[in-house]
Amino acid sequence: RKEVEQDPGPFNVPEGATVAFNCTYSNSASQSFFWYRQDCRKEPKLLMSVYSSGNEDGRFTAQLNRASQYISLLIRDSKLSDSATYLCVVFRMDSSYKLIFGSGTRLLVRP
Amino acid sequence: EAQVTQNPRYLITVTGKKLTVTCSQNMNHEYMSWYRQDPGLGLRQIYYSMNVEVTDKGDVPEGYKVSRKEKRNFPLILESPSPNQTSLYFCASSLGGEQFFGPGTRLTVL
Repeated sequence: RKEVEQDPGPFNVPEGATVAFNCTYSNSASQSFFWYRQDCRKEPKLLMSVYSSGNEDGRFTAQLNRASQYISLLIRDSKLSDSATYLCVVFRMDSSYKLIFGSGTRLLVRP
Repeated sequence: EAQVTQNPRYLITVTGKKLTVTCSQNMNHEYMSWYRQDPGLGLRQIYYSMNVEVTDKGDVPEGYKVSRKEKRNFPLILESPSPNQTSLYFCASSLGGEQFFGPGTRLTVL
């Protein structure tokens, strides 16, 4: 079982739709959480950090549920430019110091 | 401009021919790492470095070497490449949890 799991999608939604992605993690030593965005054949870039109390950045809302060990990303009013792969990322520092990446969820926003 | 650079961006080589992929960052970050990305497997960490002369294995270190003689540079060395190392490689440096990635190196080993 992968340490960070995501539904690979693709999620195919019309412009203006609201879409949500979930991600589960298995290591309770996980300390910090992030969503990264990756466009086709490009490098991943940080979209937003995920805080315990939940946080919002414009049309994007991230939530963390430590008890159930999952993270979510909600995108409201989807734009064509939101089409990308969204990577759930977990940072843990126990015997190692590393970021663990999920395989990504692909989003396609159609006109 | 703050950035991570990698070279080469594209490389086609043959089995057994030693190669080095360079990585350099200008942000004075202490932490650097190398990843490979393969379809369906996501990004997997090869090696990481907490600081100069401090390196450690990631999840898939076999067949790779790294060195960290200076803070800004973290080259990835394939002593004897094999076809299963055909992949997209990313170097990254970080401050805390945010990683800044290089543009990637697409390597094909024939």
